Amino acid sequence: DGGITQSPKYLFRKEGQNVTLSCEQNLNHDAMYWYRQDPGQGLRLIYYSQIVNDFQKGDIAEGYSVSREKKESFPLTVTSAQKNPTAFYLCASSRRDQTLREQYFGPGTRLTVT
Amino acid sequence: GQQVMQIPQYQHVQEGEDFTTYCNSSTTLSNIQWYKQRPGGHPVFLIQLVKSGEVKKQKRLTFQFGEAKKNSSLHITATQTTDVGTYFCPLNAGGTSYGKLTFGQGTILTVHP
Repeated sequence: DGGITQSPKYLFRKEGQNVTLSCEQNLNHDAMYWYRQDPGQGLRLIYYSQIVNDFQKGDIAEGYSVSREKKESFPLTVTSAQKNPTAFYLCASSRRDQTLREQYFGPGTRLTVT
Repeated sequence: GQQVMQIPQYQHVQEGEDFTTYCNSSTTLSNIQWYKQRPGGHPVFLIQLVKSGEVKKQKRLTFQFGEAKKNSSLHITATQTTDVGTYFCPLNAGGTSYGKLTFGQGTILTVHP
């Protein structure tokens, strides 16, 4: 089955700890994205990568870091500098080589920091 | 900068009633995509519209792209409880950032049985 996997589904951490969220895709997509969603809100872009070894900040990158060493993987680290890290984190991917660039989303990780 | 406003923010309907949500842009759009997110789930791509005046149908869903390519609508005929969720029409950044989407709050649809 082709798709995007995010693990774990639920994650609990203590304040002051860094935590890394996993995102893997086997769709052979060049572009990958990380979004954050707060209750009752839309999605806000954290980081995106259009190609391996390159990524750009989105609208709310502060307190987050990413890497893109492999085409299939785009892990997101939520650092202790992120003031309000509790949220629903969604990873997505899309093609780059055509006009239709629909984004495929993973099931998400719900992070709770106390 | 470019913005897409989506209205209404919330809509409650009785099962069987029709529903429409609108996206309005301050600038001309190259294309527009629609996504649906079920409660507790992740967004799922529904459709992309590209041509001026384009109309596409998917069963009970009808998507339209305005003649000026500044607005779009999603109409659901005879809603069902499975239509519950949030509908988004994100803005496509274009240029070298083509494919980068900016999601607004969407329209949250509640269907009462």
